[in-house]
Amino acid sequence: SQQGEEDPQALSIQEGENATMNCSYKTSINNLQWYRQNSGRGLVHLILIRSNEREKHSGRLRVTLDTSKKSSSLLITASRAADTASYFCATVPGYSTLTFGKGTMLLVSP
Amino acid sequence: EPEVTQTPSHQVTQMGQEVILRCVPISNHLYFYWYRQILGQKVEFLVSFYNNEISEKSEIFDDQFSVERPDGSNFTLKIRSTKLEDSAMYFCASRDENSYEQYFGPGTRLTVT
Repeated sequence: SQQGEEDPQALSIQEGENATMNCSYKTSINNLQWYRQNSGRGLVHLILIRSNEREKHSGRLRVTLDTSKKSSSLLITASRAADTASYFCATVPGYSTLTFGKGTMLLVSP
Repeated sequence: EPEVTQTPSHQVTQMGQEVILRCVPISNHLYFYWYRQILGQKVEFLVSFYNNEISEKSEIFDDQFSVERPDGSNFTLKIRSTKLEDSAMYFCASRDENSYEQYFGPGTRLTVT
């Protein structure tokens, strides 16, 4: 697989449930970032985790990073219909260029 | 809140024509990027720009592509002779020197017919 591959490709849950998305990558990284994209719109930065960090929180978001397994997970707690979007992990193997995965499409039903 | 803007939102052009996609990055940002997303595929890096020169480019960014910061506020991507496979959403992004977080514009949908 290529750098920054998300799993699952699609996820459908009910409002109030938690959503977990995973990302795997192949090369060493400086940091890993998660972005959200609403249909047909630009990408919005959600959270960044550096290679020397293991876990980070921001509001309802929790991201983990395991550099030994080259994987990261994004947890959205108490999901809302407005969380419906595609979620991408982006690795930064070098200085700043982002390498994106294919994304996870999250559908949160009311 | 400051944001990255892009114009036009949708550009339709014929194969072989030149197109210029325009971006206005956030005013105090120093690093600028172009990415593209072919329909249904992942977002791909094209080029990064800092201090009035290209700092990194991908294999996609061949001689048909060029970037310019003509006036200190705009950042443009030019495709000299468009091909059908250039049809995609093109995103501009910028960041400041103190953060890795990139701010993306809403994109320009380029359709080559």
